[in-house]
Amino acid sequence: EADIYQTPRYLVIGTGKKITLECSQTMGHDKMYWYQQDPGMELHLIHYSYGVNSTEKGDLSSESTVSRIRTEHFPLTLESARPSHTSQYLCASSEWGVGYTFGSGTRLTVV
Amino acid sequence: DQQVKQNSPSLSVQEGRISILNCDYTNSMFDYFLWYKKYPAEGPTFLISISSIKDKNEDGRFTVFLNKSAKHLSLHIVPSQPGDSAVYFCAARHSGNTPLVFGKGTRLSVIA
Repeated sequence: EADIYQTPRYLVIGTGKKITLECSQTMGHDKMYWYQQDPGMELHLIHYSYGVNSTEKGDLSSESTVSRIRTEHFPLTLESARPSHTSQYLCASSEWGVGYTFGSGTRLTVV
Repeated sequence: DQQVKQNSPSLSVQEGRISILNCDYTNSMFDYFLWYKKYPAEGPTFLISISSIKDKNEDGRFTVFLNKSAKHLSLHIVPSQPGDSAVYFCAARHSGNTPLVFGKGTRLSVIA
């Protein structure tokens, strides 16, 4: 049973649109992450948070932003979508010292 | 520069035989290693992990071996089953609970 939820599962959107990918977890985890993954490639960390009001950029240059106003919620926003943003976006959460629980992902296509 | 490398993009194994997936890393500060399994259109799910103070960890059909001197780990699946067909990601982190670093994954196909 999934304790971390991502919506939408699939999204096709036009260039220049603003979009927000939602991620919520019910496990009370302090740590949350956003990864981007293309087929045959590694998961690239784009943002992470170690708690409320804490956000950090990952090692992949990204034009997205995140916020962490509540423990359970970690949305990712693209102010102006471009075809290069087409990818799978994976949200995860964890406790200190253990592995991640991932959501099902959002497959984004920008046309 | 990739810190976690999975040099085999794909692997095919017959049902019932052993599957061996390999992973190399370059960062000697890594002290915790994990394997994740991913089906298409789903998020990765945790499979097994190993701390750098161990050289082997076993969980049912899955065993992970760590060779710190070679900076190499491997995942053994015995016996392999068709349901094991998926992409397997190796991941690592160093002390301080830093975010996980992932490899590119190996697609395992178990043929009945």
